[in-house]
Amino acid sequence: DIVMTQSPLSSPVTLGQPASISCRSSQSLVDSDGNTYLNWLHQRPGQPPRLLIYKISNRFSGVPDRFSGSGAGTDFTLRIGRVEAEDVGVYYCMQAAQFPITFGQGTRLEIK
Amino acid sequence: EVQLVESGGGLVQPGGSLRLSCAASGFTFSKYWMHWVRQAPGKGLVSVSRIDNNGRDRRYADSVKGRFTISRDNAKNTLYLQMNGLRPADTAVYYCVRDWFGEFHWGQGTLVTVSS
Repeated sequence: DIVMTQSPLSSPVTLGQPASISCRSSQSLVDSDGNTYLNWLHQRPGQPPRLLIYKISNRFSGVPDRFSGSGAGTDFTLRIGRVEAEDVGVYYCMQAAQFPITFGQGTRLEIK
Repeated sequence: EVQLVESGGGLVQPGGSLRLSCAASGFTFSKYWMHWVRQAPGKGLVSVSRIDNNGRDRRYADSVKGRFTISRDNAKNTLYLQMNGLRPADTAVYYCVRDWFGEFHWGQGTLVTVSS
């Protein structure tokens, strides 16, 4: 199975300041179709996960443009341009290049 | 609007069985691969099973292989997960997830509790 490793696991951030989360995969996520199936999810307490970013850098419908994704191969980053109160919760990276799909441990974003 | 509504969760004794359902609406269900993903209380996300759009290709996590069966009825726009031989370690919220080339849309989840 592909192992996904996130850092940091906890991120206290001041409102209005930027934040970033890193994710590393144990092997390349480039599929045979040439796409890299690396996604970012956000989960608020008591809610299901919600897709933010798919295929490294594509924002899902309705996701604010303060969220952006980058990376290639095995190293990826989620950036939040200016953190808002609604951004608290846990962020997960996930790979869908190979079954089983696997997830990072989660990064808890909290407001200082 | 895309909707995925899970049902069938509840409390079951170890060794028991449950069948989860996921009713899909707002999209052409028969075009999409579907997944079940679970999340134990206070823990992270774990893939359980995946089925392709016509039901021919089914995959399972090692932890559920031989005990769980994924299926779908495209005429009823419904995804299923038959869970047999349930264990306390299977206690989790089970999410139905739509997959379109990496775009994952999540249902609200249904809680399964395995306890005596």
